[in-house]
Amino acid sequence: QQPVQSPQAVILREGEDAVINCSSSKALYSVHWYRQKHGEAPIFLMILLKGGEQKGHDKISASFNEKKQQSSLYLTASQLSYSGTYFCGTETGNLIFGKGTKLSVKP
Amino acid sequence: NAGVTQTPKFQVLKTGQSMTLQCAQDMNHNSMYWYRQDPGMGLRLIYYSASEGTTDKGEVPNGYNVSRLNKREFSLRLESAAPSQTSVYFCASSEVPRKNEQFFGPGTRLTVL
Repeated sequence: QQPVQSPQAVILREGEDAVINCSSSKALYSVHWYRQKHGEAPIFLMILLKGGEQKGHDKISASFNEKKQQSSLYLTASQLSYSGTYFCGTETGNLIFGKGTKLSVKP
Repeated sequence: NAGVTQTPKFQVLKTGQSMTLQCAQDMNHNSMYWYRQDPGMGLRLIYYSASEGTTDKGEVPNGYNVSRLNKREFSLRLESAAPSQTSVYFCASSEVPRKNEQFFGPGTRLTVL
C-alpha cells in the first residue's frame, strides 16, 4: 500500500520553513526519506527506525509517529539547494515509496 | 568507488523488441533492487534480490525478468517491450534488505515506440 504524501507541491522563498507529511494505512517497520533533483537519482536523507525517533542533519529533520503510522520531514530556513522532489518510503515488508512532494525554493 | 552503475543511459525500442538493462555495484552490498519511475507515480519496485542467489517480485513485476548474476550484478530483462514500459528505470543496492539506506544508480531512460 503506497504511503500518502502531503502536500503534493510547495513553493517557498529562501529562508522559509516547510513540513512534508507521509502517512500509511499499515504498521511500519521504518520510514525512509529521499530527495531527487530533476534528471538525477534519488539521494538518501535519513531513516527512522522506531516510533518516537527524531533525526536531523543540517536544517532538515524528521520525526516518526509509529502509533499514527506517520512521519514528517521538516525543512527549516530553506535554501535554494533544497529544491527537488522529496519521497518518503515506508517499510511494511519491502520499501514502498510515496508519489513525492515537489519543493521549489525561490530567491 | 563508482557506487551503482547502470547501462545504457538511454534506449529506444520498438514494440515487441527485447533488451536487458545492466546494473552493477561495487559496495559489496547484499541486496539489489529494480524500480521504475513514471511521472506522478513515485518509484515502484519491480523486482529485488535480498541476497545473491535469490530474487523476488515487487509491486509491478509483469513483463519483466531479472537475474542476479553474482553479488555485484543484477540485470533486468524486457522480453517483449510494450509502450506501457516506457519509463525511467533505477537500480539500487543496500547492505541488507531492510531498515537500510538504498543507493541508487543514475537511471536508464527507456522509450518504447
